[in-house]
Amino acid sequence: DTGVSQDPRHKITKRGQNVTFRCDPISEHNRLYWYRQTLGQGPEFLTYFQNEAQLEKSRLLSDRFSAERPKGSFSTLEIQRTEQGDSAMYLCASSLDTGGGYTFGSGTRLTVV
Amino acid sequence: DAKTTQPPSMDCAEGRAANLPCNHSTISGNEYVYWYRQIHSQGPQYIIHGLKNNETNEMASLIITEDRKSSTLILPHATLRDTAVYYCIVRVGNTGKLIFGQGTTLQVKP
Repeated sequence: DTGVSQDPRHKITKRGQNVTFRCDPISEHNRLYWYRQTLGQGPEFLTYFQNEAQLEKSRLLSDRFSAERPKGSFSTLEIQRTEQGDSAMYLCASSLDTGGGYTFGSGTRLTVV
Repeated sequence: DAKTTQPPSMDCAEGRAANLPCNHSTISGNEYVYWYRQIHSQGPQYIIHGLKNNETNEMASLIITEDRKSSTLILPHATLRDTAVYYCIVRVGNTGKLIFGQGTTLQVKP
């Protein structure tokens, strides 16, 4: 297992288009988190899953955002009708629910033009 | 959710110890302190975490004050590759979500 994988690394899309990102966590990790990071800021929590259940969503996650984690394995984050303000790095992290470190992926950088 | 306060930037000479402070005065009893660092365009990298005891691993040491309102990350022998943004983070107990602050940009100079 080589860690948390995110795909794609970069995405450029036109305003109004839909985009979907994928995250493959460390296989034995049952928790998966999504964060968003804009330039010069620390990552902001968006949502997290315990196995396949989505247990918390931030107020940052508008109705245009949806996340899934079918079968408690990989996760997808979809943004509908993208806006320029959605331009950011989207980070995925995974962990065990017993504590310890969180492993982050390299992120997907979204640019909305 | 507890917040953290860090100085925006610090310099350190190569080979010297880097001491990065963090205030988390509103931390709750079951909230852990985590430290991560981020090098440009990469995901955050785990360094160390603790609850109330001091911790040490191969990367760094974490010193937490007795009242848990502040902590210090110590990189014992900083190298140029340690130049990064360092985040002091509080982990919210039940959810495990990490609340990031603005971080400290550490510049290690030759």
